[in-house]
Amino acid sequence: SYVLPQPPSVSVAPGETATITCGGDNLRGKSVHWYQQKPGQAPIVVIYFDSDRPSGIPERFSGSNSGNTATLTISRVEAGDEADYYCQVWNSGSDHPFVFGTGTKVTVL
Amino acid sequence: EVQLVESGGGSVQPGGSLRLSCAASGFTLGSFTMSWVRQAPGEGLEWISYISPGNHAVYYGDSVKGRFTVSRDNAKSLLFLQMNTLRAADTAIYYCARVICSGTTCYSDYWGQGTLVTVSS
Repeated sequence: SYVLPQPPSVSVAPGETATITCGGDNLRGKSVHWYQQKPGQAPIVVIYFDSDRPSGIPERFSGSNSGNTATLTISRVEAGDEADYYCQVWNSGSDHPFVFGTGTKVTVL
Repeated sequence: EVQLVESGGGSVQPGGSLRLSCAASGFTLGSFTMSWVRQAPGEGLEWISYISPGNHAVYYGDSVKGRFTVSRDNAKSLLFLQMNTLRAADTAIYYCARVICSGTTCYSDYWGQGTLVTVSS
């Protein structure tokens, strides 16, 4: 089955930059989407199609995808960015097309 | 405004059944692929099912295949998840989510707040 490993945790000081990676076989051929989930809340999409940002998501959130690694970058981190972040791809042609990453807990120090 | 509201969760004994509903508003349900995603306590997101607009494509994750059935009533803007032969491992918050597809990729742009299913004796 298709696996998307993410680092379990990332710690960052306020104002610094958080980098979250998402790896997988042949990721270059797939678009990666990113979700933020705060405690007790439903996930929301923060990046779609590798690097597009929905309206209402701050410009501090950016995404990239190259090689076998996709990256979510949060610049000028704020306390309100503390959350779990999940990457996701659509594995077309599979009976299990919706694949989520293992998730990364971002802690703001 | 797009809204998704799940209902039907609760406590059930192992081997029992539950039917979850997801009421959609603010968009035409029949025009969108919809999915169900669950999250066990303290765990990550697990996709479990999706259904295409015309019901032509229905898929299930291995953990629920043969036990869960997804369906929709587009006229009433309702999405359903019939869950049978429930196990303790099915204990989770269940989310319905709208799916946006473009080219060879899809993602969920709107999620409900979830409904908790607890399977315990």
